[in-house]
Amino acid sequence: QSVLTQPPSVSGAPGQRVTISCTGSSSNIGAGCDVHWYQQLPGTAPKLLIYGNTNRPSGVPDRFSGSKSGTSASLAITGLQAEDEADYYCQSYDISLSGSVFGGGTKLTVL
Amino acid sequence: QVQLQESGPGLVKPSQTLSLTCTVSGGSVSSGSYYWTWIRQPAGKGLEWIGRIYTSGSTNYNPSLKSRVTISVDTSKNQFSLKLSSVTAADTAVYYCAREVVRGTNWFDPWGQGTLVTVSS
Repeated sequence: QSVLTQPPSVSGAPGQRVTISCTGSSSNIGAGCDVHWYQQLPGTAPKLLIYGNTNRPSGVPDRFSGSKSGTSASLAITGLQAEDEADYYCQSYDISLSGSVFGGGTKLTVL
Repeated sequence: QVQLQESGPGLVKPSQTLSLTCTVSGGSVSSGSYYWTWIRQPAGKGLEWIGRIYTSGSTNYNPSLKSRVTISVDTSKNQFSLKLSSVTAADTAVYYCAREVVRGTNWFDPWGQGTLVTVSS
């Protein structure tokens, strides 16, 4: 049972827009802790996709965007491409646990 | 740019101690702007934060693993290490080392490629 809750899977056709939610609590996201997102392509290590709720590292396409409100955060992907098929994880900090926490991951399928 | 590489035995017997090392290149573990972190991922499952170490030697561990985990740093070799004692099959996973960027709520970037550790007799 992950501290942050994500849907197990989402899907969309090429060119469409999908969103992935990440729900936390008052001891992590709701406490003001930032949310970060990672993309894990099959057989590879996770890669930073969004940091500080909304910021993209250099090299990440602007098709990827993040937002945060209350105890939740979302990752949006527009103009879906086949290469976006991957697992996506959210991450934050939990004050009660005094450590970083992850969501359970969401598998994105491009139809 | 900074690169991290995990190394260590791929097979550990139950009840023994898992030992892994992460070698950092292109940067220094002595940098004051970062923590150095271990994360693991059982096959087909999500990510679990194990713990971290600062250049000073200060550590933080996941409460669920705290009694079995030790993370240390060797600044002379630019490496940091993980020891997990009394392992069971439940500790079988891909183990990643990562740099934790200290900036408000910290994030992990970059990650090592990961190393699979199997616990089996």
